[in-house]
Amino acid sequence: GAGVSQSPRYKVAKRGQDVALRCDPISGHVSLFWYQQALGQGPEFLTYFQNEAQLDKSGLPSDRFFAERPEGSVSTLKIQRTQQEDSAVYLCASSLAESKTRLNEQFFGPGTRLTVL
Amino acid sequence: GESVGLHLPTLSVQEGDNSIINCAYSNSASDYFIWYKQESGKGPQFIIDIRSNMDKRQGQRVTVLLNKTVKHLSLQIAATQPGDSAVYFCAEDHSGGYQKVTFGTGTKLQVIP
Repeated sequence: GAGVSQSPRYKVAKRGQDVALRCDPISGHVSLFWYQQALGQGPEFLTYFQNEAQLDKSGLPSDRFFAERPEGSVSTLKIQRTQQEDSAVYLCASSLAESKTRLNEQFFGPGTRLTVL
Repeated sequence: GESVGLHLPTLSVQEGDNSIINCAYSNSASDYFIWYKQESGKGPQFIIDIRSNMDKRQGQRVTVLLNKTVKHLSLQIAATQPGDSAVYFCAEDHSGGYQKVTFGTGTKLQVIP
């Protein structure tokens, strides 16, 4: 079956532009995560959804970052007024588990590489 | 092209040899640990996990060892193959149940044919 997909795979933005990154999780997966991965680093948690509810957004680096999952399936990560330090790979992951359920595997998408000039 | 492994510690092993990748974790409250494999241009892929009430768990060709006393985790890969070449991350979960994980810095494994 289909895995997690993300689009676009590559995005180049001029500093100050707004961008929107899309994540299509595996059908039926309740949990959805966004991570930011800088070059040569491990992924860093940004935010978590359980269905349409955003339960944790503690990792979002600034109020320029906004994520939504209005119908509990597709999610969009929006970055306003992009800065050069926003350049990174943005990874989306989904899992079957709800909150309080342990040991459920997160399935990652291929990521969107954002380059801000 | 992009390189996930840029500036990461690198482990080079001969094809067929065993590989051991080490990781030090930071939070003594972490009770669940996961190893991920990440190939260039792809997202991390789950390899194996272990709860804190265990000290060893085996999978297919892989073994994870956990030493809570010194907060150390290791991944052993038996009979390393060229397809094992990737960056390996350990991750710890101390979120209390909803899988918010913190990734380590990663190790690049290079298999020499």
